[in-house]
Amino acid sequence: GENVEQHPSTLSVQEGDSAVIKCTYSDSASNYFPWYKQELGKRPQLIIDIRSNVGEKKDQRIAVTLNKTAKHFSLHITETQPEDSAVYFCAASNGGADGLTFGKGTHLIIQP
Amino acid sequence: DTGVSQDPRHKITKRGQNVTFRCDPISEHNRLYWYRQTLGQGPEFLTYFQNEAQLEKSRLLSDRFSAERPKGSFSTLEIQRTEQGDSAMYLCASSLQGWETQYFGPGTRLLVL
Repeated sequence: GENVEQHPSTLSVQEGDSAVIKCTYSDSASNYFPWYKQELGKRPQLIIDIRSNVGEKKDQRIAVTLNKTAKHFSLHITETQPEDSAVYFCAASNGGADGLTFGKGTHLIIQP
Repeated sequence: DTGVSQDPRHKITKRGQNVTFRCDPISEHNRLYWYRQTLGQGPEFLTYFQNEAQLEKSRLLSDRFSAERPKGSFSTLEIQRTEQGDSAMYLCASSLQGWETQYFGPGTRLLVL
């Protein structure tokens, strides 16, 4: 089955700086890669996703890049703000009945 | 609220008791997923329905776990003879066939004493 590794487990950045979270996956059949943000006690919320036919996608301050050859994808957040503080999860799926396979999460801390 | 809803939000039970959770997906979504999330971990896939058919069941699930989606709308997840290791957040998600995006409910937090 799929295995998703996520790094780092904790990331502390100064407000206004950029943050980068990286994930690798093992199953070459995976073709869908979402990123979720989860605040304490809340549901995971989709912030951006990318499909395997695209190498990069951007939505305002958030971007995701995908390298299918190397089987890794990354989340980039620019101009970080205090409200970006949360746990971020990457995930992978082959679009079938296996559901999403999640990484272990990155606790992003924005220092004022 | 047209999002995914779950009930109850919190459940405390004693070891050995049975518990049942309910999930109501977004109305037009025909795919429904159950996940389990423990503290400090990402959600782990449990099972998946397309309409009323259960198409996949993770190896994580023992025979104490069962899920149903009788009319292709809401779903229930039952845990029989609960154990302390079952304490976790149980999340439900739904999606529309042909679109991979899964939307999560608020979860049911289970504590087994």
